[in-house]
Amino acid sequence: AQSVTQPDIHITVSEGASLELRCNYSYGATPYLFWYVQSPGQGLQLLLKYFSGDTLVQGIKGFEAEFKRSQSSFNLRKPSVHWSDAAEYFCAVGRSNDYKLSFGAGTTVTVRA
Amino acid sequence: SQTIHQWPATLVQPVGSPLSLECTVEGTSNPNLYWYRQAAGRGLQLLFYSVGIGQISSEVPQNLSASRPQDRQFILSSKKLLLSDSGFYLCAWSGQGSSYNSPLHFGNGTRLTVT
Repeated sequence: AQSVTQPDIHITVSEGASLELRCNYSYGATPYLFWYVQSPGQGLQLLLKYFSGDTLVQGIKGFEAEFKRSQSSFNLRKPSVHWSDAAEYFCAVGRSNDYKLSFGAGTTVTVRA
Repeated sequence: SQTIHQWPATLVQPVGSPLSLECTVEGTSNPNLYWYRQAAGRGLQLLFYSVGIGQISSEVPQNLSASRPQDRQFILSSKKLLLSDSGFYLCAWSGQGSSYNSPLHFGNGTRLTVT
């Protein structure tokens, strides 16, 4: 079965600084990878997804992620964070013959002024 | 456009009481429907999913159950709540097909506190 690891439970970053959130997956075949964001008390919103092709994926809100097969990683990045980026971020992996996604435990991002 | 409604937003229930959480989707047909639970610091745990009316798949053994009486309605229930049922419950839908070609769309969740 596929699994997802987000090594960082909590990250604090200054407004305007760059952000990188790590995600490692375990899956034998080509995975389908997603990043979701959750604001406090809300549901999850899709930021971006990777199915195939270009390994650098652009998403909403200025986020991007890079798929690296050799490292089994799908890290999320943003060049310059805004205070509104404070939220919890989840990486998820799926597979082609399955209806389900497996989610990581999440990384909470705090943005300081 | 598609929307997903989930209610209530918050709920406080005593141990041993029943539970019914409802989720409806608008603007799409034959969605896949999901119930997730989110416990503090533990990410999202898939509880149930459904690919059609009356079709329910359970992912974890527990005292919760799910039903799909109509195409776009998904209900999470319990006959007797436990303290460990406290958490944030999220309903989600996706288009027909597997996860790769149809991402999940989440409701705003229900915060359940069992006292």
